[in-house]
Amino acid sequence: AQSVTQLDSQVPVFEEAPVELRCNYSSSVSVYLFWYVQYPNQGLQLLLKYLSGSTLVKGINGFEAEFNKSQTSFHLRKPSVHISDTAEYFCAVISSGGSYIPTFGRGTSLIVHP
Amino acid sequence: EPEVTQTPSHQVTQMGQEVILRCVPISNHLYFYWYRQILGQKVEFLVSFYNNEISEKSEIFDDQFSVERPDGSNFTLKIRSTKLEDSAMYFCASRGDSNGEKLFFGSGTQLSVL
Repeated sequence: AQSVTQLDSQVPVFEEAPVELRCNYSSSVSVYLFWYVQYPNQGLQLLLKYLSGSTLVKGINGFEAEFNKSQTSFHLRKPSVHISDTAEYFCAVISSGGSYIPTFGRGTSLIVHP
Repeated sequence: EPEVTQTPSHQVTQMGQEVILRCVPISNHLYFYWYRQILGQKVEFLVSFYNNEISEKSEIFDDQFSVERPDGSNFTLKIRSTKLEDSAMYFCASRGDSNGEKLFFGSGTQLSVL
């Protein structure tokens, strides 16, 4: 079985500060990892994904994430956040060779203050 | 970018009533999903649908739930007799490829059962 843990339910940060949103996963097989973002009153949008290859993955809006197999983590980072980054961020995992149904974490609410 | 459309955006119903949540997936997609998120909790998988039948479902998806693709464009989730604990945000998603790389999500229907 696969699972995802997002340790922080809420992360407040000031504009232009760096941010890291944490994600840890559990799976007995190799995985595909995703970060989705949900802006207010909108659906979930894919921010970035790790399928294979380079462990550092760059996504839209200046976000990046690093796959760390030994720590079973896929933390999301941005060096300088904007007010417009205020949103809910969801980490998701798919175990390879399975049914390709993503399992999501509970989400982390990023709140950017001016 | 193509969109998944969900209607209504908000639905309020009395306990014991039937509700139908509607989704229009992206037109050339083949795989369809329903997820839900109870406030403050994880985004949970409910059911996946392919080739006009349920391909996988979670333990949440009991006999009170059903899905249907009544025509070539709509994908519906029916809750036969709603309970208070069915109150949640319900997300529809679709994908066109075979490896689950990218799900396209709708903006959700907020269901409130009173």
